[in-house]
Amino acid sequence: RKEVEQDPGPFNVPEGATVAFNCTYSNSASQSFFWYRQDCRKEPKLLMSVYSSGNEDGRFTAQLNRASQYISLLIRDSKLSDSATYLCVVPDPGGTASKLTFGTGTRLQVTL
Amino acid sequence: DAGITQSPRHKVTETGTPVTLRCHQTENHRYMYWYRQDPGHGLRLIHYSYGVKDTDKGEVSDGYSVSRSKTEDFLLTLESATSSQTSVYFCAISNSVNTEAFFGQGTRLTVV
Repeated sequence: RKEVEQDPGPFNVPEGATVAFNCTYSNSASQSFFWYRQDCRKEPKLLMSVYSSGNEDGRFTAQLNRASQYISLLIRDSKLSDSATYLCVVPDPGGTASKLTFGTGTRLQVTL
Repeated sequence: DAGITQSPRHKVTETGTPVTLRCHQTENHRYMYWYRQDPGHGLRLIHYSYGVKDTDKGEVSDGYSVSRSKTEDFLLTLESATSSQTSVYFCAISNSVNTEAFFGQGTRLTVV
């Protein structure tokens, strides 16, 4: 099983729709999780952090299910400007050293 | 925006030549990472550092070396560039295991 897995999409949704992405992870010891947004030919930027069961920021909600080892990102009332690739990131809490593992990303295209 | 800069931003080089990419931060963050991003693969970790002179390999480290002689600089060296190393390279920094990472703007490297 890959360390972090995402459905690559693309998800094509009309403006105003609600869309959800899932991300599964393999390391049950992971304590924190992140969703990043990446626009075409740009660097990834942090969208949301998830440290407990979930987090909400406006139209965006992230939820964590530790038992099933997945996190989800829900986007309500999609906007054209939400079109981007969404990356799931799971830190590997390996003692004094650490690394971040990225999913391959889920591409979202919001259309008129 | 986090103080992280990559140089150069674009480079074209010939097969077999050495190439060094630089990542410079002004945030005094402990962790620094080098990733490459290719279509269909997402972000893959090349090397990371958890302190001055402390580095470790990522999943795609073959053909790359790194050095971190001071907190603010993390260098990535391609000893003898190959066409398979044509990619977009991102540097990232983070302050601890469970906090978010910030990315540089990326370096587009083309090996011809």
